[in-house]
Amino acid sequence: AQKVTQAQTEISVVEKEDVTLDCVYETRDTTYYLFWYKQPPSGELVFLIRRNSFDEQNEISGRYSWNFQKSTSSFNFTITASQVVDSAVYFCALVDNAGNMLTFGGGTRLMVKP
Amino acid sequence: DVKVTQSSRYLVKRTGEKVFLECVQDMDHENMFWYRQDPGLGLRLIYFSYDVKMKEKGDIPEGYSVSREKKERFSLILESASTNQTSMYLCASKLGQGRQPQHFGDGTRLSIL
Repeated sequence: AQKVTQAQTEISVVEKEDVTLDCVYETRDTTYYLFWYKQPPSGELVFLIRRNSFDEQNEISGRYSWNFQKSTSSFNFTITASQVVDSAVYFCALVDNAGNMLTFGGGTRLMVKP
Repeated sequence: DVKVTQSSRYLVKRTGEKVFLECVQDMDHENMFWYRQDPGLGLRLIYFSYDVKMKEKGDIPEGYSVSREKKERFSLILESASTNQTSMYLCASKLGQGRQPQHFGDGTRLSIL
């Protein structure tokens, strides 16, 4: 069975601080995909990134960066110079190559204070 | 852009009522999903559908049923609502299998009194 763990339930930072959200996963599949979603207070989950299990290159998109390490089964998400608009719940999720069902972590609530 | 529309943002119903939550997507996606979201538990899959009239149980199907008569519409039905079904319900759709991301609606916050 697949499992995704986000150990940090809530993080509070002050604007302009860097923050890392942790994600650890378990799967027996050799081919799988990892996702991060953002859920702002409005409620809709917004897709941020997808990573496949064969691509361990780190990715950067503006202030966002992702660190995928297969050896530790982790897919961590870093926000550099955080802003108030980054305040949201962030979910990490996993799906195998053939599957349709996403397995979600419990989510991390990020609060960025001015 | 994919648009997934849920019929209500907020809904209040009484115990024992039959409740319908509607979801429509505009991108001809084969797959549609219903989740419930509870604090600390993340999103848990109730049902999904991979084609018209086809459905599969997710992790927590008890007390729920679904209907997919048309490709763009996926309905979640609470046959006899109970207070433990008070939750946020999220609908999603997806093209194809595996690697494609799911696209979510805004959610329906359902309260059962």
